[in-house]
Amino acid sequence: DSGVTQTPKHLITATGQRVTLRCSPRSGDLSVYWYQQSLDQGLQFLIQYYNGEERAKGNILERFSAQQFPDLHSELNLSSLELGDSALYFCASSVGRASGYTFGSGTRLTVV
Amino acid sequence: DQQVKQNSPSLSVQEGRISILNCDYTNSMFDYFLWYKKYPAEGPTFLISISSIKDKNEDGRFTVFLNKSAKHLSLHIVPSQPGDSAVYFCAASTYNTDKLIFGTGTRLQVFP
Repeated sequence: DSGVTQTPKHLITATGQRVTLRCSPRSGDLSVYWYQQSLDQGLQFLIQYYNGEERAKGNILERFSAQQFPDLHSELNLSSLELGDSALYFCASSVGRASGYTFGSGTRLTVV
Repeated sequence: DQQVKQNSPSLSVQEGRISILNCDYTNSMFDYFLWYKKYPAEGPTFLISISSIKDKNEDGRFTVFLNKSAKHLSLHIVPSQPGDSAVYFCAASTYNTDKLIFGTGTRLQVFP
């Protein structure tokens, strides 16, 4: 157990639908990062939150949004889902880059 | 634009021998580099890191080498063990952000 909890582990939904992925960071970590891993691809950075504020944005689609709540858990919302959104979505948390990220085990999203 | 590249999708090494995983980057602003290991159905786990002020960092069987002039880093695993079989990602960040840019990964298989 890495200390970063992601739910659900698996999600199957239809095109056009909306889903919410949840992440609880490791205790004490203020930063939360979201990454997408498509088949045979690397980890693509989506967005970072630090203590409730958006800190950095990657190639996140406009159909996707995220937030970090006062208790530091984060949610990634994916809407108007397309087949190409099928991927593993990872959340990670950290106290700073020198300590590296701690990743959760991911949510596997399948859009049918 | 893939700023961090791992050109070898896979590597097969005999147990006890050295495994060398390579990574190239294009952004000269990167000043911190990390290696992560990923097993199936799990999130990536932090392995070892190196700052750009160093050219080598060692942790047990794992050593990372950084050649800034060539924009190249490598991970050496000696001796390789079957439990090292996993996908290895290199990642990099710039001084003004703790956002990590990941490579596409190299699948290492260590056989008896």
